[in-house]
Amino acid sequence: DSGVTQTPKHLITATGQRVTLRCSPRSGDLSVYWYQQSLDQGLQFLIQYYNGEERAKGNILERFSAQQFPDLHSELNLSSLELGDSALYFCASSLQDRPTGELFFGEGSRLTVL
Amino acid sequence: GQQLNQSPQSMFIQEGEDVSMNCTSSSIFNTWLWYKQDPGEGPVLLIALYKAGELTSNGRLTAQFGITRKDSFLNISASIPSDVGIYFCAGQMYVNNDMRFGAGTRLTVKP
Repeated sequence: DSGVTQTPKHLITATGQRVTLRCSPRSGDLSVYWYQQSLDQGLQFLIQYYNGEERAKGNILERFSAQQFPDLHSELNLSSLELGDSALYFCASSLQDRPTGELFFGEGSRLTVL
Repeated sequence: GQQLNQSPQSMFIQEGEDVSMNCTSSSIFNTWLWYKQDPGEGPVLLIALYKAGELTSNGRLTAQFGITRKDSFLNISASIPSDVGIYFCAGQMYVNNDMRFGAGTRLTVKP
C-alpha cells in the first residue's frame, strides 16, 4: 500500500461527458502528479501541483484540468470525453516540490469511454 | 520534450535467465529511476540513481546511471516468475519539476 488513494477505481461513461478523478496523496506529501497510461503505453505526464499551486505541465489536453485543494487532495477533470481518452489515470505524490527521488503511485482510475 | 527511449518493448525468458533492459535519451537527466508495475497496480520504485556512473544493486537487480547522463540500464539476474510485470525507466531534470517515463519493458518469465 503506497498510501496514495485514488477514486473511483473504475469508471464507464459516454463520449461528450465529463468526469472527475480524485486523489489523496500520502500523508505529509505536498506534491501531486497526474499521469495517463493508455493500453500498452507508457506513463504520459499530465500535470503537477505542489502545495496547491501548479508547478509543471506535460501533455495535458485543454479539455482536461486539475487542481489541488488546501487539504492537498487533487482532482483531475476530464471533459468532452472522446473514445481515445480511455486509459488508466494514475496519481502519484512526493514530499518535495522537485521529485528528487521516489514517486508514490496510487492504484489508478480506469476510465472507459464508450 | 525529453523523450525516453526504452528497449526492448517486451521480453519472454525462461526462469533462471538473466535480463537486461535499457533507456536512452537525447537529453541529460540528473536522476534515473527504475519502476515496476504489476498487473492492476501502480508503479513501484525499484532503484534510484543520482550520480553519473553510479552502479546500484537491490537484491537480484542492478542498475547503472550512464556516464553521459543520457542513459541507464537495469539487469535482473536469475529471474523468477514473480519478476513478471512492466518495467519503466524514469528520468528527472532539475530544470523541470516533472518526471518522464519510458514506454516500458513487458517481461514474461516462463517457469
